[in-house]
Amino acid sequence: EAAVTQSPRNKVAVTGGKVTLSCNQTNNHNNMYWYRQDTGHGLRLIHYSYGAGSTEKGDIPDGYKASRPSQENFSLILELATPSQTSVYFCAGQGACSDYTFGSGTRLLVI
Amino acid sequence: GQQVQQSPASLVLQEGENAELQCNFSSTATQLQWFYQSPGGSLVSLLSNPSGTKHTGRLTSTTVTKERRSSLHISSSQTTDSGTYLCAIDRQGGRALIFGTGTTVSVSP
Repeated sequence: EAAVTQSPRNKVAVTGGKVTLSCNQTNNHNNMYWYRQDTGHGLRLIHYSYGAGSTEKGDIPDGYKASRPSQENFSLILELATPSQTSVYFCAGQGACSDYTFGSGTRLLVI
Repeated sequence: GQQVQQSPASLVLQEGENAELQCNFSSTATQLQWFYQSPGGSLVSLLSNPSGTKHTGRLTSTTVTKERRSSLHISSSQTTDSGTYLCAIDRQGGRALIFGTGTTVSVSP
């Protein structure tokens, strides 16, 4: 069964620090996505990728970078974390039948 | 921009009652998916229904594409149905999904 694994599950970062959120998938999904979820906003798309080496900006990319060094790994990078980036982050992979598998999420607190 | 609106925002049920959740969207959609988010936060896909009616277990989704609306009917609710139900459509120009803010369902015994 497809698995999407995120790490860490929880993270506390200081303002101005660098944060890397990792996502690994084992089902050879080409398309992968990073979302953040905040109360009142639902899930919002930050970055996505169509395959190794590709990244595209989503709807709210400012302050975030993405990296897809391999088919399996898709990272979200906050170069200079700010308190407004405190949120729950979800990674998702998309299968050939447009079925989506989400990771368990990463709770990030920026203080 | 594209919008997905869900109603009601929350719903309280007694076990065994039925529920109808609504999803309205602002643009034509070739994908329409319903997701369940558990109280612990994990997200799972329930079903994909871009048009017509689909059933899975006690869930029935009906999508009227021309009217840009979809519904999710939960029959004979159980306490394990408690959580948030999210509706999502395909994002124009890309392959990602645009999500609504969800309907939070609470089922008491």
